[in-house]
Amino acid sequence: GAGVSQTPSNKVTEKGKYVELRCDPISGHTALYWYRQSLGQGPEFLIYFQGTGAADDSGLPNDRFFAVRPEGSVSTLKIQRTERGDSAVYLCASSPRGGMTDTQYFGPGTRLTVL
Amino acid sequence: DQQVKQNSPSLSVQEGRISILNCDYTNSMFDYFLWYKKYPAEGPTFLISISSIKDKNEDGRFTVFLNKSAKHLSLHIVPSQPGDSAVYFCAASGTSGTYKYIFGTGTRLKVLA
Repeated sequence: GAGVSQTPSNKVTEKGKYVELRCDPISGHTALYWYRQSLGQGPEFLIYFQGTGAADDSGLPNDRFFAVRPEGSVSTLKIQRTERGDSAVYLCASSPRGGMTDTQYFGPGTRLTVL
Repeated sequence: DQQVKQNSPSLSVQEGRISILNCDYTNSMFDYFLWYKKYPAEGPTFLISISSIKDKNEDGRFTVFLNKSAKHLSLHIVPSQPGDSAVYFCAASGTSGTYKYIFGTGTRLKVLA
């Protein structure tokens, strides 16, 4: 079946602009995670959704970052007033239920470049 | 504070030989560990996992070993193949009810033909 998809694959924006990154999880997966991977680093957790609600947003770096999942499937990560330090690959993952042994399946990521 | 560490940024191995990738962690509350493989321009792909109640898990050419007292795990690939060339990430989970993953910085494996 279809895996996790993310759009766009690449996004170039100017400092101060607003961006939206989209994630389509595997159908039927209730758990959805956003991670951010900077150059030379491993993915870093941003936020976790269980269904429509954000169950853990402890990884969001500041209030410029916000994410939604209004119908419990597609999620959008929103970044306001982008800064050059926001440049990274943003990864989305989904898992069937979000349990400890539920494997997280990752999408290909969106590479965000802030000029 | 890096809770999951992969101290070797790169590793080169001859085709057919064993590849050993290492990972150390600091948080004794972690109870589930995973290895992911990542090719350029793709997302991480799940490889193998191990629960803290075990010390070994095997899946084909891949074996993960866990040494809880040393807070150390390793991934063995035998025999190594050129298609195994990728970046390997160690991840740990279990300190929160959300089971978010804490990743290491990755080790780039190159298998030479």
